[in-house]
Amino acid sequence: DTEVTQTPKHLVMGMTNKKSLKCEQHMGHRAMYWYKQKAKKPPELMFVYSYEKLSINESVPSRFSPECPNSSLLNLHLHALQPEDSALYLCASRSGFGQGRYEQYFGPGTRLTVT
Amino acid sequence: EDQVTQSPEALRLQEGESSSLNCSYTVSGLRGLFWYRQDPGKGPEFLFTLYSAGEEKEKERLKATLTKKESFLHITAPKPEDSATYLCAVQVRGSTLGRLYFGRGTQLTVWP
Repeated sequence: DTEVTQTPKHLVMGMTNKKSLKCEQHMGHRAMYWYKQKAKKPPELMFVYSYEKLSINESVPSRFSPECPNSSLLNLHLHALQPEDSALYLCASRSGFGQGRYEQYFGPGTRLTVT
Repeated sequence: EDQVTQSPEALRLQEGESSSLNCSYTVSGLRGLFWYRQDPGKGPEFLFTLYSAGEEKEKERLKATLTKKESFLHITAPKPEDSATYLCAVQVRGSTLGRLYFGRGTQLTVWP
């Protein structure tokens, strides 16, 4: 099973709202990623968690706040977003480093619209 | 600077008309090259990983190959359901935590 799940599928929020995106995987993967994807562009890396620790933050604005409660779950907390933050938000996971498998598996994404 | 370039940007094929998509890369050292399929509004679906020049992988109508400078995704006798954007990504040796460098994708349309 190579499934990564994301909820919700769609989210509309105002600029003053607080919301959260959730991601879950049960493949035993120890690296999890958040990406942002705009239309007709490739995914753009935002955050990387390795063994539940934040390891990479690609200079993402503080209105995006990631959290990794355990090895299977990844959250992205959203606050005071701007309309330009509207995009498809993707979660991905891969097996731990040094285990010889490098591919990342993506979830279906959350389509976020900021009004 | 590490770079990944895909061509063409868009490709229209008639059903049954075989063709190839190209992914060229310039990186300091390749750890792996990945092909993904992405349908509109959905997450990328993993297709193949290639690790070294000369390697080939196949799945149904798709065949991926790798040289020292580029990869090809060959589509044999495509069907309309093969219509999607195909993304190529590379991981560089020594890269931090599996960072992927993506190409901009090839949008494939197969018409009946």
